[in-house]
Amino acid sequence: EVQLVESGGGLVQPGRSLRLSCAASGFTFGDYAVNWVRQAPGKGLEWVGFIRGKVYGEATGDAASVNGRFTISRDDSKRIAYLQITSLKTEDTAMYYCGREREGLTRPHFDYWGQGTLVTVSS
Amino acid sequence: DIQMTQSPSSLSASVGDRVTITCRASQSISTYLNWYQQKPGKAPKLLIYAASSLQSGVPSRFSGSGSGTDFTLTISSLQPEDFASYYCQQSYNTPRTFGPGTKVDIK
Repeated sequence: EVQLVESGGGLVQPGRSLRLSCAASGFTFGDYAVNWVRQAPGKGLEWVGFIRGKVYGEATGDAASVNGRFTISRDDSKRIAYLQITSLKTEDTAMYYCGREREGLTRPHFDYWGQGTLVTVSS
Repeated sequence: DIQMTQSPSSLSASVGDRVTITCRASQSISTYLNWYQQKPGKAPKLLIYAASSLQSGVPSRFSGSGSGTDFTLTISSLQPEDFASYYCQQSYNTPRTFGPGTKVDIK
C-alpha cells in the first residue's frame, strides 16, 4: 500500500526554523518527485516546492512567495523527503502536505498525498 | 508564473444535479491540467489528470474536458459524498499552481 506520512509540525515562534519530513512506503521512492503543498486555515492549496529524483539530479524548485526560506531535500536510503523552513513567519501557519509525482510522465500529477502536518507560527 | 482561475467560487446543488466547474489558465497549457477533490480535514485526492483522464478508482460520474486555456470538470449526477472543494492545477511547468477552488455544498 502506498503511503506518505508527514511529521515535524507543531507550534513554533516567529523567526525560528523547522524541518518537516515526508516518509514514503509501498512504492519505489526514487522513481518519484516529491512536492510540498500548504494550506493556510480556511484557504486554498499553495504549491511551495518540489524535489526530483536522482535520475534528474535531485533538482529542486520552490515558489517565489517563500523568498528562499524553504529548502527541500531527500534521503532515498531512508525513503524520506524533507522541507526545511527558516525565519518562520506567522503567514507560514498552515497544513503542509507532501504529494508524489511520477517522474517521466507526459502529464505530471500528484496521485498520492500524505495526511498533512500542521505548522503554527505564533509567539 | 501561470495563473489559474476557477468559477464559480462556490455553488449550491442538490443530489442528482449535474454540476460543472470551469478553470482557466493565464496562458496555454495544452492538457497539463489536473483536478483534485478535498473534503474538510482531509488531504486532496486526484480525480482527473491530463485534462480528461479519470484516475483509477474515481467514479465515472466525474469527467474532465478542455485544452489550451479553458477546462471543465463535470459531475454528471451529484452524490452526497461529492460535497467538497475542487481545485484545478496546472502541471505545464513550475510552480505547479492551483486554482483558488470551488466549494460545492448542499442546496
